[in-house]
Amino acid sequence: GGIITQTPKFLIGQEGQKLTLKCQQNFNHDTMYWYRQDSGKGLRLIYYSITENDLQKGDLSEGYDASREKKSSFSLTVTSAQKNEMAVFLCASSIRTANTGQLYFGEGSKLTVL
Amino acid sequence: AQSVTQPDARVTVSEGASLQLRCKYSSSVTPYLFWYVQYPRQGLQLLLKYYSGDPVVQGVNGFEAEFSKSNSSFHLRKASVHWSDSAVYFCAVSKQGTGSKLSFGKGAKLTVSP
Repeated sequence: GGIITQTPKFLIGQEGQKLTLKCQQNFNHDTMYWYRQDSGKGLRLIYYSITENDLQKGDLSEGYDASREKKSSFSLTVTSAQKNEMAVFLCASSIRTANTGQLYFGEGSKLTVL
Repeated sequence: AQSVTQPDARVTVSEGASLQLRCKYSSSVTPYLFWYVQYPRQGLQLLLKYYSGDPVVQGVNGFEAEFSKSNSSFHLRKASVHWSDSAVYFCAVSKQGTGSKLSFGKGAKLTVSP
């Protein structure tokens, strides 16, 4: 089995600050994702990457940048944190070629902006 | 575009009682359908999936779901819930042939009372 590791688990930032979340997977999966989870709103796709150095915008990409420099890692940057923002960011991965839609998730990174 | 609606945001059932969590999907073609579960302070885990064939699919821990094309639904059921089933349940849909890009519902928080 594999695992997805997200760092940090908790991130506290200031309004306007640039904040970066990191994700590592050892499944050797091709595709990686960043989702944002807000209470009562479910999961919304921010960015995904089909392979190394590929980036695809999701439904919520504005205000975020992403980077996939290695197959095993996928980073997400909040370009300017919004005051009172609070959300959980979930990283996931999947086998591209299987086309099964099955994703494997990390435990999440909780962001709080003061 | 695909989408799912979970009409019940919070559900409370007594331990040992039966459970149904509803999911309605919208898609121009028969989609792939999934139920994921999120236990407290954890990432999402796949519970079960439907691609084609028998409309009733079995998942882990006694869960099953039934696909209905006529009703555009994919409801989750369990005959007898346990306190450990308390979690948030997400229905998700992806379009066949488009890889693993999933659209999630807003989730249903299940509380199993003693």
